[in-house]
Amino acid sequence: DGGITQSPKYLFRKEGQNVTLSCEQNLNHDAMYWYRQDPGQGLRLIYYSQIVNDFQKGDIAEGYSVSREKKESFPLTVTSAQKNPTAFYLCASQSWSTDTQYFGPGTRLTVL
Amino acid sequence: GENVEQHPSTLSVQEGDSAVIKCTYSDSASNYFPWYKQELGKRPQLIIDIRSNVGEKKDQRIAVTLNKTAKHFSLHITETQPEDSAVYFCAASITGTASKLTFGTGTRLQVTL
Repeated sequence: DGGITQSPKYLFRKEGQNVTLSCEQNLNHDAMYWYRQDPGQGLRLIYYSQIVNDFQKGDIAEGYSVSREKKESFPLTVTSAQKNPTAFYLCASQSWSTDTQYFGPGTRLTVL
Repeated sequence: GENVEQHPSTLSVQEGDSAVIKCTYSDSASNYFPWYKQELGKRPQLIIDIRSNVGEKKDQRIAVTLNKTAKHFSLHITETQPEDSAVYFCAASITGTASKLTFGTGTRLQVTL
């Protein structure tokens, strides 16, 4: 787990602003994922990437965008089109040779 | 797509008692079932997982059982301790090239003294 970092830990955004959440991993994992967690709810998949320069929409992709230019990095942009972005955002990574996803420490985003 | 239901949403047990959390899944092709523990404000951490070629797996006080026919799997925690208090999530996926995990909605376990 220590090989996945997310920054910042806390992020405050004004309405109408785009913000980018960072996710980096040094585990040499092939796949990376972004989840959103709301209070009292499970984890919902936003986007995932199985390989560099390729990514797929998850269940709640609207209002979000990602890029995967490097194997170790998978930043998430929360755009102004996301109407209710206040949530806890978790990044995860996984090697193709195992089935286990490991999570980063998360970023708590609050819209003011 | 896959749908995972998890029950109960909250569970309170006395220290030393056992706790059982149950999940059902909808996609018969799912063959990997991990359980994650999440303490308040922290990241989810894998505590145990099971694959569809086995019916039960144990790791000290934690065990998971799987009934493929009924599409049920359960987490059993014996001799609960206060540090077991957390939110537990079940999940399901199809193994292979980094596949998508579908999570249950979580169970908040409270172990009281």
